[in-house]
Amino acid sequence: DTGVSQNPRHKITKRGQNVTFRCDPISEHNRLYWYRQTLGQGPEFLTYFQNEAQLEKSRLLSDRFSAERPKGSFSTLEIQRTEQGDSAMYLCASSLQGTDTQYFGPGTRLTVL
Amino acid sequence: AQTVTQSQPEMSVQEAETVTLSCTYDTSESDYYLFWYKQPPSRQMILVIRQEAYKQQNATENRFSVNFQKAAKSFSLKISDSQLGDAAMYFCAQQGGSEKLVFGKGTKLTVNP
Repeated sequence: DTGVSQNPRHKITKRGQNVTFRCDPISEHNRLYWYRQTLGQGPEFLTYFQNEAQLEKSRLLSDRFSAERPKGSFSTLEIQRTEQGDSAMYLCASSLQGTDTQYFGPGTRLTVL
Repeated sequence: AQTVTQSQPEMSVQEAETVTLSCTYDTSESDYYLFWYKQPPSRQMILVIRQEAYKQQNATENRFSVNFQKAAKSFSLKISDSQLGDAAMYFCAQQGGSEKLVFGKGTKLTVNP
């Protein structure tokens, strides 16, 4: 049984650099979600896809953030011109349309120096 | 707007004892779902239990049960016969009107041997 996978698990970058994260959902799941979790807080919703369509985006998703899911399978989250405030754990989750349970990946921890 | 409040930043329990974690929420939706997720240290988020708001019966999963008080907008988690492996951050979350999950800030549970 393959769960949600995320790569890389850790990323350290310098301020101003661009970073890209990848999420591979559970194979039959057509919905994919991105959340951000900062220290001491619960996850906050960023965006979600149904198949390849991006159906909802949070106000947290500034212009520097872009997410794609080109073939309705894996997804990428890119952050351009990273800032120290972007340091967080980026979580991906997936679910099957018609069900309400989201399954989470291990996350990508981003540190911006 | 949907909100979730967990008023206990930290809780502790003796092994084999029972502990209750509190959660209150606010929503204008009539149809919604409530969840408890567990996040062990440096490990991924795992679903513990879910409750459909239209069901009056409290959900139960082995040693985990909820006390769902819809009128009071309260959704507490009871862990019976606590085990060392239950030590983790516990997040209460709701989903309604949108596919996104809205999380509380979490409760850190320590299990003492």
